[in-house]
Amino acid sequence: DQQVKQNSPSLSVQEGRISILNCDYTNSMFDYFLWYKKYPAEGPTFLISISSIKDKNEDGRFTVFLNKSAKHLSLHIVPSQPGDSAVYFCAASEDNDMRFGAGTRLTVKP
Amino acid sequence: DVKVTQSSRYLVKRTGEKVFLECVQDMDHENMFWYRQDPGLGLRLIYFSYDVKMKEKGDIPEGYSVSREKKERFSLILESASTNQTSMYLCASSTDGPAGNTEAFFGQGTRLTVV
Repeated sequence: DQQVKQNSPSLSVQEGRISILNCDYTNSMFDYFLWYKKYPAEGPTFLISISSIKDKNEDGRFTVFLNKSAKHLSLHIVPSQPGDSAVYFCAASEDNDMRFGAGTRLTVKP
Repeated sequence: DVKVTQSSRYLVKRTGEKVFLECVQDMDHENMFWYRQDPGLGLRLIYFSYDVKMKEKGDIPEGYSVSREKKERFSLILESASTNQTSMYLCASSTDGPAGNTEAFFGQGTRLTVV
């Protein structure tokens, strides 16, 4: 039973527009949330994170929003660039026990 | 930069073989993890370790065991490889930050094929 769910396997966006990737979780004990980006044949690389005491964290073009009551987080990429095309994994952690979602493949079209 | 190194990028093993996947990190991280990545299922946690000789089961530990004799090294063992263990295996490490959790750093992955 997956505790972290990404219900959209793929997303296609035009360059310059906003990309919104969504993630839901079921375990209310998770207190730290992360997004990773993965290119083929490479390990995931950390993108951005948010603690459960916050509802927003921003880093350049990337912003993560957390809605604890809904057990939902999202990653916004503005503006989207072709180099952002990758698989994005949402992760949630409790005491360093980190669980991942199934991933969303983002394609940014020039 | 943190470096997590997995001993092999590609492995082909026969059904029934005992398989060792090795992972080494160079940043003195307390926590180490083994995941497998399968299409449509994302990264599933097999085992993690928060200290030398300590281990915790993840979501799918069946058919696997782990060993952490030294802080920098975390080994995944397939006792008797089966075809349903064909997958991409990813090792990761993380440290205990001041607020508890921090991000994990991943190795490049080992693509294991069991024939």
